Amino acid sequence: SSVLTQPPSVSVAPGQTARISCGGDNIGTQRVHWYQQVAGQAPVLVVHDDSDRPSGIPERFSGSNSGSTATLTISGVETGDEADYYCQVWDDVTDHVLFGGGTKLTVL
Amino acid sequence: QVQLVESGGGVVQAGRSLRLSCAASGFRFSSYGMHWVRQAPGKGLEWVAVVWHDGKKKDYEDSLKGRFTISKDNFRNTVYLQMNSLRAEDTAVYYCTRDGSTSGTYPMDYWGQGTLVTVSS
Repeated sequence: SSVLTQPPSVSVAPGQTARISCGGDNIGTQRVHWYQQVAGQAPVLVVHDDSDRPSGIPERFSGSNSGSTATLTISGVETGDEADYYCQVWDDVTDHVLFGGGTKLTVL
Repeated sequence: QVQLVESGGGVVQAGRSLRLSCAASGFRFSSYGMHWVRQAPGKGLEWVAVVWHDGKKKDYEDSLKGRFTISKDNFRNTVYLQMNSLRAEDTAVYYCTRDGSTSGTYPMDYWGQGTLVTVSS
C-alpha cells in the first residue's frame, strides 16, 4: 500500500458513532495504527494493530481492517474527541512508514 | 515514565544546516527504534526517518534521502536528525517518536512535544 486515503472530514453529534475510514491497496494484509491529534498537541496512539487499544484509551475507540479499508470507530462521541485522526502502516516493501492524510472529526 | 524532549529547532536561512536532538528517559533506550515525524503548518503528518534500536539500520522518506541523516546514541539516550541544505518546504514541527519495538515496524507509542523549524528564504 503506497497511499492511504482518508476523508478530509467527518461530523457527528455528541453521543453518536463516528466512523473514519482509511483506504489502501490490500490494507487488510497490513497492521494499521491510528493516532489522535487534538489541536495544538502532539499525536497520541489510540488504536494499534488494527483493533488493539493502548492502556488508558477508552473502550469507545475501536478499529477494524479488511480488504481495502481500515476503519476507526468512536462510539458515544464526546466533545473532547474533536481532533484530527491519522491512520498509519509500515510498508514492508519499501521499508517506509505511511500516514494517511488525516481526518478532522467535528462534534456538532 | 517515558519522556521524549526535542530541542534544536529555530529559524534558519535556506541552504543552511540544523541538528535536532531528542533526549529520551524512562525506558531502556537501547531496546527501541526511534522515528522523526514532521508536520508542516496546517498540514498532516509526514514520516521523516527511522533508526533501529542499535543505530545500525536506518530508513528515510525518499524525498529527504541525501539531505537528512538520523542517528542514535545509546550512551547519551539521544536521537538526532541532521538536516542539511534546508528549504522553505522543510518548515514544520518535528516530532521524535518511539517505536514499539527494536525496529521501526511497530506503532509509535510515545511522542515528544515537537520542536519548530522555520526555514526563511
